[in-house]
Amino acid sequence: DTGVSQDPRHKITKRGQNVTFRCDPISEHNRLYWYRQTLGQGPEFLTYFQNEAQLEKSRLLSDRFSAERPKGSFSTLEIQRTEQGDSAMYLCASSFGPGQGADTEAFFGQGTRLTVV
Amino acid sequence: DAKTTQPNSMESNEEEPVHLPCNHSTISGTDYIHWYRQLPSQGPEYVIHGLTSNVNNRMASLAIAEDRKSSTLILHRATLRDAAVYYCILRDVFQGAQKLVFGQGTRLTINP
Repeated sequence: DTGVSQDPRHKITKRGQNVTFRCDPISEHNRLYWYRQTLGQGPEFLTYFQNEAQLEKSRLLSDRFSAERPKGSFSTLEIQRTEQGDSAMYLCASSFGPGQGADTEAFFGQGTRLTVV
Repeated sequence: DAKTTQPNSMESNEEEPVHLPCNHSTISGTDYIHWYRQLPSQGPEYVIHGLTSNVNNRMASLAIAEDRKSSTLILHRATLRDAAVYYCILRDVFQGAQKLVFGQGTRLTINP
C-alpha cells in the first residue's frame, strides 16, 4: 500500500467556482478524517467517517462544504461557491479502529492545496 | 479537549540530542500522549505515543513525568530531516475514533 493518496495536489480556482477533492485511504482503514490547515496554523478537524457513515462534522464545515464516502473506501470533499477564505491545505487522514474502540495512529496524505483567486 | 502547551520554536544542531517539552496539566487518567510531526509541504506523521511509562521507537523516545502533567519528546541524534513542526496531542483511550486536536506545535530548526 502506498499510503493515503490525495488528488489533486494543487488546485487554483476562481471565486464562486465549485471544487472537489478526492482522498484514497489505506485500504484496510475503516476511519477517514478531513482536516484543513491554513498557513502557520495546525490542522483543524472538518469531518470524520467510519466506513460510509459520516459520524462527526465540525462547525467549520459550512453549508457550502459536503463530504462523502459512498462505499466506505475513497472520499470526496466538495466546496461550492468557493471564497477566498477557503484557501488552505486540505488534508485527509485514515486509521483503523475496531467497532467503537480506539483507533491506531492516523496516516495523513500530502494534502490538496487550494488557492481561490 | 484537554489542552497542551508547547514552545513556539526551538533550535538545535545536527547530530545533537533534542528535547521537545509539552505541558498538559489538565490531562485525565485515560488520556494518551501522542506526538505527530509535520515536515515542510507534507501531511503530519505519527511519531510516538504513551500513557504512563517512557516509550522508545525507531524515531524517538517519549519521557512522561511521574504526575503525567508534562512530557518530553527526545530525538537522540537530530538530522536535518528532523526539521519540522512537532505537535503534542492528548487522546482519550476510551473515546474510540477521535479527531486529533492540533495546537500550534513547536517549530524545530536544525542547524548543520
